[in-house]
Amino acid sequence: SQQGEEDPQALSIQEGENATMNCSYKTSINNLQWYRQNSGRGLVHLILIRSNEREKHSGRLRVTLDTSKKSSSLLITASRAADTASYFCATDPYYGQNFVFGPGTRLSVLP
Amino acid sequence: NAGVTQTPKFRVLKTGQSMTLLCAQDMNHEYMYWYRQDPGMGLRLIHYSVGEGTTAKGEVPDGYNVSRLKKQNFLLGLESAAPSQTSVYFCASSWTSSYNSPLHFGNGTRLTVT
Repeated sequence: SQQGEEDPQALSIQEGENATMNCSYKTSINNLQWYRQNSGRGLVHLILIRSNEREKHSGRLRVTLDTSKKSSSLLITASRAADTASYFCATDPYYGQNFVFGPGTRLSVLP
Repeated sequence: NAGVTQTPKFRVLKTGQSMTLLCAQDMNHEYMYWYRQDPGMGLRLIHYSVGEGTTAKGEVPDGYNVSRLKKQNFLLGLESAAPSQTSVYFCASSWTSSYNSPLHFGNGTRLTVT
């Protein structure tokens, strides 16, 4: 069973706009991570947020975590064509041992 | 640094054939993982290793075997390939358990079984 589920499945925006992706999960977690995957490539780590944190920033990325709602969001501000990729959330279940990945959100940023 | 390197990049097998996928990392990571990625399914863990000489089953281990004879290498074997094993396979490594460190991924092996 999938622990993390991203929403929406696909998102298309214009360059310069903000992109927001959401992730919901089912069980208690140690941390949640976001990854980016460009077409034909492996996943690249973007940001890690621990269960006792509510918000983290990294450059144009802002991640929030609401453990009461078991959800996280990834905001990319001032998007660029180079941000076109699939984005995955991965949760580290509290009682589990390994990450569980969601199916991802496909982001298209149009020039 | 090369990071995580996977070979081969592409492979076509006939049903029943065998093959080995090689993963090598040069970051001195303890933990290594094999995932498969299928459309709409995200990544699913096949097997993993928490150190040289150790292996453990993940979510979808059936039909696969692994070995970690050297710390830097993690091999994934398919003894008798089936069309259901058509997928993209990713190797990943991490410094410690996932609580503290992110995963570093290779660029994948695209396997087609006919």
